[in-house]
Amino acid sequence: DVKVTQSSRYLVKRTGEKVFLECVQDMDHENMFWYRQDPGLGLRLIYFSYDVKMKEKGDIPEGYSVSREKKERFSLILESASTNQTSMYLCASRTGGGTYEQYFGPGTRLTVT
Amino acid sequence: DQQVKQNSPSLSVQEGRISILNCDYTNSMFDYFLWYKKYPAEGPTFLISISSIKDKNEDGRFTVFLNKSAKHLSLHIVPSQPGDSAVYFCAASPSNTGKLIFGQGTTLQVKP
Repeated sequence: DVKVTQSSRYLVKRTGEKVFLECVQDMDHENMFWYRQDPGLGLRLIYFSYDVKMKEKGDIPEGYSVSREKKERFSLILESASTNQTSMYLCASRTGGGTYEQYFGPGTRLTVT
Repeated sequence: DQQVKQNSPSLSVQEGRISILNCDYTNSMFDYFLWYKKYPAEGPTFLISISSIKDKNEDGRFTVFLNKSAKHLSLHIVPSQPGDSAVYFCAASPSNTGKLIFGQGTTLQVKP
């Protein structure tokens, strides 16, 4: 079974803090993704990575950055957290090639006060 | 600009009856479609998918139908069970991108 883990289930941070969200997958997947989920908006792609040290912007990258130094780990960084970044953050991975299915972690509920 | 739309935020059905969840899309370059199910405080889990070259895919109680001319897909659950109560997301993949674009989600409640 594919396992995607996220470092925290719940996180509370103050406005202006630098926040790190970590994601690890154990299936040697090439591709990894960060989404945020908000009510009425579904899942929106923040950043994704096709390989180590490679990253591409998704639909809503503003205020975020990412790091992928190792194949199994993909980090999402909020440089200066703001209240509008309060959300559920979901990490996903998928193998390269012709498959489309992404496997998701349990999510991190981030609250910025 | 929402390329994948689920226009019904919620749906309530009786146990044993059919649940039909709908999804519309605008981009004709989408070549693969997926349905995910999400329970509260958990990540989405893959349910069923369909390629754009097919019009139907079945897996047990779950069937996905694709109408390319109408740019519409639907998920049928028969018979519905209380454990099916969750948020359902449809997703579409633009050709050769590896990305998924998700709809807003539909909350399904199956009443015993």
